[in-house]
Amino acid sequence: GESVGLHLPTLSVQEGDNSIINCAYSNSASDYFIWYKQESGKGPQFIIDIRSNMDKRQGQRVTVLLNKTVKHLSLQIAATQPGDSAVYFCAENSGGSNYKLTFGKGTLLTVNP
Amino acid sequence: KAGVTQTPRYLIKTRGQQVTLSCSPISGHRSVSWYQQTPGQGLQFLFEYFSETQRNKGNFPGRFSGRQFSNSRSEMNVSTLELGDSALYLCASRVQTSYNEQFFGPGTRLTVL
Repeated sequence: GESVGLHLPTLSVQEGDNSIINCAYSNSASDYFIWYKQESGKGPQFIIDIRSNMDKRQGQRVTVLLNKTVKHLSLQIAATQPGDSAVYFCAENSGGSNYKLTFGKGTLLTVNP
Repeated sequence: KAGVTQTPRYLIKTRGQQVTLSCSPISGHRSVSWYQQTPGQGLQFLFEYFSETQRNKGNFPGRFSGRQFSNSRSEMNVSTLELGDSALYLCASRVQTSYNEQFFGPGTRLTVL
């Protein structure tokens, strides 16, 4: 759900489980979506992206699903590891060729060993 | 290949002062974007520069400005600092302005007293 201030949505999983992080985006005209991972004290790190003409894209241990009908994006992480613990952000590009990203509030993923 | 570098990493200023932050993109990257990250508002887009021209701008007051040099290095300036400007300022670079991976620097932590 929505987060305000420091109250990020949180997801706590056991090591080895699969994780699913959800994101609702706002602009139906957005044509490109990205998931980022941010660890404490670091800048966001690119995980995976997807264009609006696709509904699924897979990477190494990660899958992004896009449902344009309900403006929903999800990130699935297989066999979650302690090193996956971080804040995860989705971002949508609403600027077309003038690449302008709008970020979600983020989800804090905690992986318990 | 060196990543995106930002200087300084930490900065403390007082209200009313101005500040200049610097970003060196990854070699060969011509697009540089700036973002502000706060607990309350999350990650917000400030502006993007490509070939020394501002291509896109977020919803920030005119106190926030930037520029890009011929070597793609970029600076952002905030004048007449307010307490609410305390944030992590992130710079990100890309090869060009089409849809490709954007790499973030570690950020500059600005505290306004």
